[in-house]
Amino acid sequence: DAKTTQPPSMDCAEGRAANLPCNHSTISGNEYVYWYRQIHSQGPQYIIHGLKNNETNEMASLIITEDRKSSTLILPHATLRDTAVYYCIVRGLGSNYKLTFGKGTLLTVNP
Amino acid sequence: EAQVTQNPRYLITVTGKKLTVTCSQNMNHEYMSWYRQDPGLGLRQIYYSMNVEVTDKGDVPEGYKVSRKEKRNFPLILESPSPNQTSLYFCASSDFTYTEAFFGQGTRLTVV
Repeated sequence: DAKTTQPPSMDCAEGRAANLPCNHSTISGNEYVYWYRQIHSQGPQYIIHGLKNNETNEMASLIITEDRKSSTLILPHATLRDTAVYYCIVRGLGSNYKLTFGKGTLLTVNP
Repeated sequence: EAQVTQNPRYLITVTGKKLTVTCSQNMNHEYMSWYRQDPGLGLRQIYYSMNVEVTDKGDVPEGYKVSRKEKRNFPLILESPSPNQTSLYFCASSDFTYTEAFFGQGTRLTVV
């Protein structure tokens, strides 16, 4: 699975959009991009995933660049409860379904 | 409600005393997995199971055992715990569609 690079921390004002970047320049054609978050020491929570098209669900939007070498997770209206570590994960088909978590980005939403 | 349930949530034990951390899911998922999380090392996979009676080692299996006798349950067994197994443990389950994985709330284990 391709390696990902994320900034270690970011701040966002409550009510504003939070844009979390992820670089995955070695991604291959059959690898998906997943985003999870972990609030304090709770179990990681799935947010969204995509292959090459932009995706949106009730939690967030995922924008993947055309060359697929980077992506951005967008939380449209961040709240204090969105303060968490956000993990960008690349996973290919045929793996053992393992999720390889890096260090992630600590997003702090400020009032 | 779809959930993965781990027990206990917190456990303090002594070196060498066998323990089992239970994991149960109610989503009829085939795939289940155990991770440990340590500061600076992130989450690392210990063992996984593709279905009943099918288990395999992850990245850090030493000192652990698992079993999968029923589809819903995937216990993690530490037969002789040591202090280096002090960690936060997570169980996860998913189906085979490469969509989302569901994680339990975690078990914080301290071995003294």
